[in-house]
Amino acid sequence: EVQLVESGGTLVRPGGSLRLSCSASGFIFSNYAMHWVRQAPGKGLEYVSAISSNGGSTYYADSVKGRFTISRDNSKNTLYLQMSSLRAEDTAVYYCVRRTTAAAGGYFDYWGQGTPVTVSS
Amino acid sequence: EIVMTQSPATLSVSPGERATLSCRASQSVSSNLAWYQQKPGQAPRLLIYGASTSATGIPARFSGSGSGTEFTLTISSLQSEDFAVYYCQQYNNWPLFTFGPGTKVDIK
Repeated sequence: EVQLVESGGTLVRPGGSLRLSCSASGFIFSNYAMHWVRQAPGKGLEYVSAISSNGGSTYYADSVKGRFTISRDNSKNTLYLQMSSLRAEDTAVYYCVRRTTAAAGGYFDYWGQGTPVTVSS
Repeated sequence: EIVMTQSPATLSVSPGERATLSCRASQSVSSNLAWYQQKPGQAPRLLIYGASTSATGIPARFSGSGSGTEFTLTISSLQSEDFAVYYCQQYNNWPLFTFGPGTKVDIK
């Protein structure tokens, strides 16, 4: 069974830093691109960041570029999101998401349960 | 960036009725369009991919159609568990896979 379990979300002060983790199981992690998607309270889904299966390619939304860093450790089946210079508008639930292979279509097939990040003084 | 729009923002439907949700892309995404359902306090769940292919375990009352820039999600007979927010997403252009703003389906 595919499982994605996020952790690391908490209350942090503006300007602070935080690292989110996503532990993956039930599939060959190194075969899949992974993504972070967030959802601010009462709002829609916002695509945040992406990383290719081998970590060689990364992408960031303009809203987080230069402040967030996505990475992965395929030996540990874990995805990370290092967040710095946090702002109130980064307050959201952060979801770890698996994307199917390009051959299978490339859509998002599994989502974690999310980890909440609150940026507030 | 491909912009996704959804209409209506809110759809009020009685149980047992048919619901039709629309999604439009600012440029063609071919059939690289997915629909997700999200209930309060839960993560989104994949319903449809490839514009019209149901994901595993999705009831037959959910169906998707369309290609290019115009897409539709139809729920043939709404059940109580279907009242939720529905998002479309294009995955045509790596890496920016944009979401629509969502359609909330609530009880009439």
